[in-house]
Amino acid sequence: EAGVVQSPRYKIIEKKQPVAFWCNPISGHNTLYWYLQNLGQGPELLIRYENEEAVDDSQLPKDRFSAERLKGVDSTLKIQPAELGDSAVYLCASSKGGSGTDTQYFGPGTRLTVL
Amino acid sequence: GDSVTQMEGPVTLSEEAFLTINCTYTATGYPSLFWYVQYPGEGLQLLLKATKADDKGSNKGFEATYRKETTSFHLEKGSVQVSDSAVYFCALAIGGTSYGKLTFGQGTILTVHP
Repeated sequence: EAGVVQSPRYKIIEKKQPVAFWCNPISGHNTLYWYLQNLGQGPELLIRYENEEAVDDSQLPKDRFSAERLKGVDSTLKIQPAELGDSAVYLCASSKGGSGTDTQYFGPGTRLTVL
Repeated sequence: GDSVTQMEGPVTLSEEAFLTINCTYTATGYPSLFWYVQYPGEGLQLLLKATKADDKGSNKGFEATYRKETTSFHLEKGSVQVSDSAVYFCALAIGGTSYGKLTFGQGTILTVHP
């Protein structure tokens, strides 16, 4: 069974430029998550989808971040414009259901560096 | 709000030593508890989990018991190997409006020497 796929693995951009990250979850997983992981810290949830609906986006900085999951499968997270403080690892995860007991499976992440 | 506190790292051990990584939590609801591991250059992987009080999660020789009375979920292994060197994250998830959201600790770096 293929795991969660993310691309690109690494991205270096100048500040104020836009950037986009792509995620393809495990087949059959209805719930998709985007997390932000700063250096030396644990991941923090940005947004959670149940199929194509964003059911928890309370931690997403909506002035510059946006996300979509149009067909309820793969998802894109966008930052426009990027700031120096956005340098971090962006993790995508998926699970079969959205309950607190469901195991979340993580992709390898996209490491973003903003210069 | 909900939070997870892990013991400060890094932790350095010799092969075959006993490992304990402490984890305590604060939660408004009744959480499920998880340990995730991140090996160098790889993504987060679930190591073990427990969904109710007194449950013991176990995998690859690692164990953790869900202690509601002490709000703890300490990770233990009787004999570590060099291949266990990684970053370990304790996490919780609850229901309600944060349904399914994982709240992580800051991570503990483990290095095992031959």
